[in-house]
Amino acid sequence: SQQGEEDPQALSIQEGENATMNCSYKTSINNLQWYRQNSGRGLVHLILIRSNEREKHSGRLRVTLDTSKKSSSLLITASRAADTASYFCARTKFNAGNMLTFGGGTRLMVKP
Amino acid sequence: NAGVTQTPKFRVLKTGQSMTLLCAQDMNHEYMYWYRQDPGMGLRLIHYSVGEGTTAKGEVPDGYNVSRLKKQNFLLGLESAAPSQTSVYFCASSYSTPRDTEAFFGQGTRLTVV
Repeated sequence: SQQGEEDPQALSIQEGENATMNCSYKTSINNLQWYRQNSGRGLVHLILIRSNEREKHSGRLRVTLDTSKKSSSLLITASRAADTASYFCARTKFNAGNMLTFGGGTRLMVKP
Repeated sequence: NAGVTQTPKFRVLKTGQSMTLLCAQDMNHEYMYWYRQDPGMGLRLIHYSVGEGTTAKGEVPDGYNVSRLKKQNFLLGLESAAPSQTSVYFCASSYSTPRDTEAFFGQGTRLTVV
């Protein structure tokens, strides 16, 4: 079962625009991680944000975490065609051996 | 610079056949995982291991067995394949608990059971 949901499920934007993806979850977390998956490939880690952090940056990526609302967002600024991929949030659950559980992902398409 | 390597990359099985998927990592990671990915479902954890000689059940363990005889290898077995096990299987590893660190994924094994 999924711990939460990514929103939207699919997003299509033009190159140069910003893309925002959201992730909601239901139970307490240790940390929340974002991964990218290019079509037909494995997942690649993007950012890890801990439960006591509110915002992290990595290049064109910005992740926020609001534990009171049980939600996180991933912002990709100045998107490029190469950013076309599926994006997943993942979190560890205290009652699941602290293993990573994933949402269904957001499919992002960036049109040139 | 191999990281996490899965073999095979593709496989077609007949219902009732058995097979083993091999995952190898060269990063000296303690933790290893097997996930399956189905359309629209994200990734679901099948089994995991927190160190050599240990295994534990994940979210969807039924129909699968695993072994971790060597630290660098994590094997996933299907004893009697069923069409419901048609999926893309991903192996991953991490240096320590995912509470603290990222996971590295293999490229996946696409399995079709007919």
